[in-house]
Amino acid sequence: NAGVTQTPKFQVLKTGQSMTLQCAQDMNHNSMYWYRQDPGMGLRLIYYSASEGTTDKGEVPNGYNVSRLNKREFSLRLESAAPSQTSVYFCASSGVFEKLFFGSGTQLSVL
Amino acid sequence: TQLLEQSPQFLSIQEGENLTVYCNSSSVFSSLQWYRQEPGEGPVLLVTVVTGGEVKKLKRLTFQFGDARKDSSLHITAAQPGDTGLYLCAGTPHFNKFYFGSGTKLNVKP
Repeated sequence: NAGVTQTPKFQVLKTGQSMTLQCAQDMNHNSMYWYRQDPGMGLRLIYYSASEGTTDKGEVPNGYNVSRLNKREFSLRLESAAPSQTSVYFCASSGVFEKLFFGSGTQLSVL
Repeated sequence: TQLLEQSPQFLSIQEGENLTVYCNSSSVFSSLQWYRQEPGEGPVLLVTVVTGGEVKKLKRLTFQFGDARKDSSLHITAAQPGDTGLYLCAGTPHFNKFYFGSGTKLNVKP
């Protein structure tokens, strides 16, 4: 019963470093999402993928890239991290019935 | 600005009190959902409403979707400390694309 698994759980980067957040789901869902959560801002959609091979920008895509590697995996890449990208990142997936299932989050600090 | 505006942002009440949280937008949604999030975890779905005017009850929680499908409310009757958490509304203007409100942080004191 893994559901949505995202790694790492915690990460500290220096400004300008790059990293990739990994996400995998085992529920055979078509749609996958990356959100960031900042205090007082709820969750903001970074990118989403409606199906394997497709990706689309959300509300706050600048500074991020994504890859939908296959139906199970959806990764988020920060090419040159900035302090403004300090946040908690959540990956989620959904199937036909429009219910989001979330991972447990990645707490990222950019110094 | 976010697509969905939630109010209030914070709510601190005594056990046994009633409360209402509002979620408003100028956009029409095909469905609207409410999630609850505990510290250190991802949000968990409470309910989905899809029909304008729809009312759904989940024990002491009552959810309503506005007639025009632009707004929703969550009412909790006789709040308990176990209701403490962050409540988030989420709307889907397009199939399977979810946008979240800013959240309401609820603290229920014993």
